[in-house]
Amino acid sequence: DVKVTQSSRYLVKRTGEKVFLECVQDMDHENMFWYRQDPGLGLRLIYFSYDVKMKEKGDIPEGYSVSREKKERFSLILESASTNQTSMYLCASSLWLGGTEAFFGQGTRLTVV
Amino acid sequence: GESVGLHLPTLSVQEGDNSIINCAYSNSASDYFIWYKQESGKGPQFIIDIRSNMDKRQGQRVTVLLNKTVKHLSLQIAATQPGDSAVYFCAENHDYKLSFGAGTTVTVRA
Repeated sequence: DVKVTQSSRYLVKRTGEKVFLECVQDMDHENMFWYRQDPGLGLRLIYFSYDVKMKEKGDIPEGYSVSREKKERFSLILESASTNQTSMYLCASSLWLGGTEAFFGQGTRLTVV
Repeated sequence: GESVGLHLPTLSVQEGDNSIINCAYSNSASDYFIWYKQESGKGPQFIIDIRSNMDKRQGQRVTVLLNKTVKHLSLQIAATQPGDSAVYFCAENHDYKLSFGAGTTVTVRA
């Protein structure tokens, strides 16, 4: 059974903190994605990666960075957390770039206070 | 700009009836259009996709229709069950990115 695991279900951080959200997939997928989900806005793509050490900006990359040092792990970094980054963060992976079936983690609800 | 959107944010359906969830898109260059289902507390899950050169595709209890003339996508669920209660997202695949709409919350009434 395919699995995408996000390290935390809930996080509370203070404004200005550096925040790391971790995601691991066990399917040997090439591609990994980070989305944020907000009510009424759906899922918005922050960054994606199609190979180790490779990354591409999504639609809303400002205030975020990513790291992919190993194929199975994709980290989202908030360099200096702000209250407008309070959101649900979803990690996903897919077998190949351009594939339609992405497998999602359960999400991390981040609150920045 | 490019966007994928749904017509209605909520839909209430009687158990056993058919559901129709609609979506409008603006990017005619997308290769695939996809439907995802998100149950409470979980990440979205793939339901069905349709290639841009097709009009209709059927799965188990679901049918996706694509009308490229009016840039409209729909998901039909036959004999809606309580387990179909969820948020449904349409998405499109273009330039290696999956872009999602805002979602429709489907509630099934007993």
